[in-house]
Amino acid sequence: EDQVTQSPEALRLQEGESSSLNCSYTVSGLRGLFWYRQDPGKGPEFLFTLYSAGEEKEKERLKATLTKKESFLHITAPKPEDSATYLCAVHFASEGAQKLVFGQGTRLTINP
Amino acid sequence: DGGITQSPKYLFRKEGQNVTLSCEQNLNHDAMYWYRQDPGQGLRLIYYSQIVNDFQKGDIAEGYSVSREKKESFPLTVTSAQKNPTAFYLCASSTHREWDTQYFGPGTRLTVL
Repeated sequence: EDQVTQSPEALRLQEGESSSLNCSYTVSGLRGLFWYRQDPGKGPEFLFTLYSAGEEKEKERLKATLTKKESFLHITAPKPEDSATYLCAVHFASEGAQKLVFGQGTRLTINP
Repeated sequence: DGGITQSPKYLFRKEGQNVTLSCEQNLNHDAMYWYRQDPGQGLRLIYYSQIVNDFQKGDIAEGYSVSREKKESFPLTVTSAQKNPTAFYLCASSTHREWDTQYFGPGTRLTVL
């Protein structure tokens, strides 16, 4: 079964404490993997698109990496304003059709 | 400023009523999408459209209807046939390539009274 799983469900960090969020997938025919940030009551904000294993992208304190089975969103020296839910989505081909499946998200809280 | 707008931000519906959620984009994107978000669940696809006057059902289309008469607009109607419509509804758009990077609107929170 095609699945996208994010872990952990929730993560609390102190300001400046670096960590990583995980997005693992069991799909074939990967076309792309997307990371979004979502604040409460708002629409997701696009962060990164990764297309192939080994690819990395960075933006401020965030760095996304991709392997054949999972993606990591590394957060370096986070600040309280980085608190949000982070979503990943996987675009893949299955049985002749293309699909996009979202993970359930990781709720990140950065304490000052 | 280019972007996606959704209205209203909050919507209350009585049981048995149909309601329509608005989604407009000025990004010149060809593809548009509607998702539903419930607590603890990933976004689920309701309908999507690649071009004007054409749309396809997503994973949870029952009880919903859409139209795509203009490139900029993709309204969603939640009908009385939708058993559990209370949710956060998100509209998104992407360039000509289906399932390419999607950009989201601010969302509409629908509550059934």
